[in-house]
Amino acid sequence: RKEVEQDPGPFNVPEGATVAFNCTYSNSASQSFFWYRQDCRKEPKLLMSVYSSGNEDGRFTAQLNRASQYISLLIRDSKLSDSATYLCVVSSRGNYGQNFVFGPGTRLSVLP
Amino acid sequence: DAGITQSPRHKVTETGTPVTLRCHQTENHRYMYWYRQDPGHGLRLIHYSYGVKDTDKGEVSDGYSVSRSKTEDFLLTLESATSSQTSVYFCAISRTGGVETQYFGPGTRLLVL
Repeated sequence: RKEVEQDPGPFNVPEGATVAFNCTYSNSASQSFFWYRQDCRKEPKLLMSVYSSGNEDGRFTAQLNRASQYISLLIRDSKLSDSATYLCVVSSRGNYGQNFVFGPGTRLSVLP
Repeated sequence: DAGITQSPRHKVTETGTPVTLRCHQTENHRYMYWYRQDPGHGLRLIHYSYGVKDTDKGEVSDGYSVSRSKTEDFLLTLESATSSQTSVYFCAISRTGGVETQYFGPGTRLLVL
């Protein structure tokens, strides 16, 4: 079993739609959680950290359920510019600093 | 912008040739990382550094070595490149202070023929 798993995708949605991405992780000692977005042929960029109480940044809402080891990302009112691959990332304490484990990503295409 | 540059950005080389990729950061971060990204595998850690001359192996370190002689530079070397090392290589730093978070360089596309 992979340490971080995500919806396989791709997701093709019309502009204005609401879309939700799911992610599960296997390491119960995980400490920090993130969503990154990666545009085609570009580097991953931090979208948002995910906090236990859930957090929102504009049209983006992230939720964490530690008991179920589950993370979600909700995008409301999708824009064409939201088209990208979304990576779920989990970190835990390593021997030296934090270990970051990346999920395989879920590709989103927002269609006009 | 985390002030990370990578060089070269693109490289084509032949099997058996040594290759060195450079990552340079301007913000004096302690931790630096090398990842490779391949279809179907996502990002996988090759090596990381927790200080000058301090490095450790990641998940896919075979065939790679690293060096960090200065805080700002982290070098990845393929001693004898193979076609299986054709990939996109990303350097990252982790920014501490609150939640430790990773930021990536623009990547190097390597093709081994």
